Formats: sequence, C-alpha cells, structure tokens
Amino acid sequence: DAKTTQPPSMDCAEGRAANLPCNHSTISGNEYVYWYRQIHSQGPQYIIHGLKNNETNEMASLIITEDRKSSTLILPHATLRDTAVYYCIVRVLLNTGTASKLTFGTGTRLQVTL
Amino acid sequence: GAVVSQHPSRVICKSGTSVKIECRSLDFQATTMFWYRQFPKQSLMLMATSNEGSKATYEQGVEKDKFLINHASLTLSTLTVTSAHPEDSSFYICSARDIRVYEQYFGPGTRLTVT
Repeated sequence: DAKTTQPPSMDCAEGRAANLPCNHSTISGNEYVYWYRQIHSQGPQYIIHGLKNNETNEMASLIITEDRKSSTLILPHATLRDTAVYYCIVRVLLNTGTASKLTFGTGTRLQVTL
Repeated sequence: GAVVSQHPSRVICKSGTSVKIECRSLDFQATTMFWYRQFPKQSLMLMATSNEGSKATYEQGVEKDKFLINHASLTLSTLTVTSAHPEDSSFYICSARDIRVYEQYFGPGTRLTVT
C-alpha cells in the first residue's frame, strides 16, 4: 500500500472549517483514500473514503486532486468534539470483496480551540 | 451504524497470568477481525488478522504463542494474552470487517495493565 504523509499537528478555531491535508504521491490506480480519526483513549472511527471523485457525508468532505497524489479532509464546522488524531490511509479494495490491511501512520493531531 | 464491542474495557492483572479480551460485532457479521495494539503516544500497530474458522495470521514480530486468537463465530473473536508481563501493558483494539461491505469498524479498546 502507498505511504501517506500528514502534518503532525494542526489547530482550528471552533466553528471554522478544518482542512487536513494528506500526501500520497505513490498511490496506485486501485487504491482508495480512507480517513479515520481517533479520539483520546477510544477506538478509531471511520470518517469517509474515496477513489478519485470528491465525496461528502454527514461528517466531512473529501477532496482528492485530479492526479490523486494528495487529498484534503474537510470538517466544515469544527467543534471541540472534533479534537482527535486524524489518519489518512490508502488501501486496495478488490472486486472479490477483500481489502488490504488498514495500516495506520502517525496521523495529524487536530486541536480545536474556543 | 455498525457497532463493535470489546470486553473488558479495562483490566489489571498480575505478571504471569493470562487475560482474555473479547471482541464482538453486534449488528453485523464479520468473517475477518483484526487486533491492534497501541502504546502511549504511538499509532496503532496491527498484531494479527483472524478469519472465522481458520488460524489467525500474525504480523512479523508478534508471538503467536503469546497472543492467542480465536475467531469461533461470525460475531466473536478473542485475544488471550498469555503469561502477561508489564511490557504487555497497552491499549488493545479490535476491528471487524462487515462481510457485506468493505468497511472496517473498530471497538472501543481494552486497556491492559500488567503489574
């Protein structure tokens, strides 16, 4: 699986949009971009994933560049409860229903402040 | 949404004893479950992958005789830490993959402290 690079930490004011970047310049054509987050002392929580089109759900938006070498997770209106470590992961999904392992890097520690 | 539970949430045991941690998928079936370990201020490290009805696959450096994994049903996997030592103290997190979709859901974690 392609490796990812994320900034170690970011701050965001409550109510503002949090834009978390991820670089995955060696991503392959069949690798998806996944985002998870981990609030302190809890298990990771799935946020969103995509292949090449931008995606949006109730939690966040995922913007993937046209060359797929980087992406940005957007939390449109960050709250204090969004303070967590955010992990960007690339993995292969196969039509056979199997998927490669979720391998966690060091992620970005997002601190949302008043 | 899909829910994965773990029991216990916290456990303290004496050095040399064994501890069993349960991981259950509550509202979906999971042919594959994963066990991770996380030390303080570090990322999650995959320990092993378990498939229902077959032997677990361990990551390099993880002792299979020390960390026994059983995946006896489509909703239950257990991790037993045998002859625990203080260096096994960690946050153990399980994850289950829904057989209907590709998504992988995580449990809340079990904090193990070996004294």
